[in-house]
Amino acid sequence: GAGVSQTPSNKVTEKGKYVELRCDPISGHTALYWYRQSLGQGPEFLIYFQGTGAADDSGLPNDRFFAVRPEGSVSTLKIQRTERGDSAVYLCASSSTSWGYNEQFFGPGTRLTVL
Amino acid sequence: DAKTTQPPSMDCAEGRAANLPCNHSTISGNEYVYWYRQIHSQGPQYIIHGLKNNETNEMASLIITEDRKSSTLILPHATLRDTAVYYCIVISGGQNFVFGPGTRLSVLP
Repeated sequence: GAGVSQTPSNKVTEKGKYVELRCDPISGHTALYWYRQSLGQGPEFLIYFQGTGAADDSGLPNDRFFAVRPEGSVSTLKIQRTERGDSAVYLCASSSTSWGYNEQFFGPGTRLTVL
Repeated sequence: DAKTTQPPSMDCAEGRAANLPCNHSTISGNEYVYWYRQIHSQGPQYIIHGLKNNETNEMASLIITEDRKSSTLILPHATLRDTAVYYCIVISGGQNFVFGPGTRLSVLP
């Protein structure tokens, strides 16, 4: 079946602009996660949704970052007033139950470049 | 901070077993050990997880020491396609995954 998909695969923007990154989880997966990965480092947790609600947003670096999942399926990560330091690969993952003792399925990521 | 320590890189000859170590000396009783890998330009992929018993699946084996302070991921017959960064993660329910820098495994022909 279809895995986790993310669009766009690449996004180039200018400093100060607004961007939206989309994640389509595996159908039926109630849990959805966003991570950010900088070059040479492991993924860094940003936010976790259980259904429509954000169960844990402790990883969001500041209030320029926001994410929604209005219908409990597709999620959008929104970044306002982008900065060069936001450049990274943004990964989305989903799982069939709440986190902890479960396998997370990752998408291919969106590579964001802020010029 | 990640609760695990892994060597930054390892080499393995194709067809031989790859043994990837992980130290997690502060692991608590309800924490599982998970292994993921990330092939270049792809998202991480789940490999295996365990609590205290050794585990085996179609991809790998996980050996956890009796005191649970360390573990070893074993790829029994490494292929060139196993070249990737391997992450060892310790987690309990209600926590988020904390990825360290992992071990970069290079399988050599």
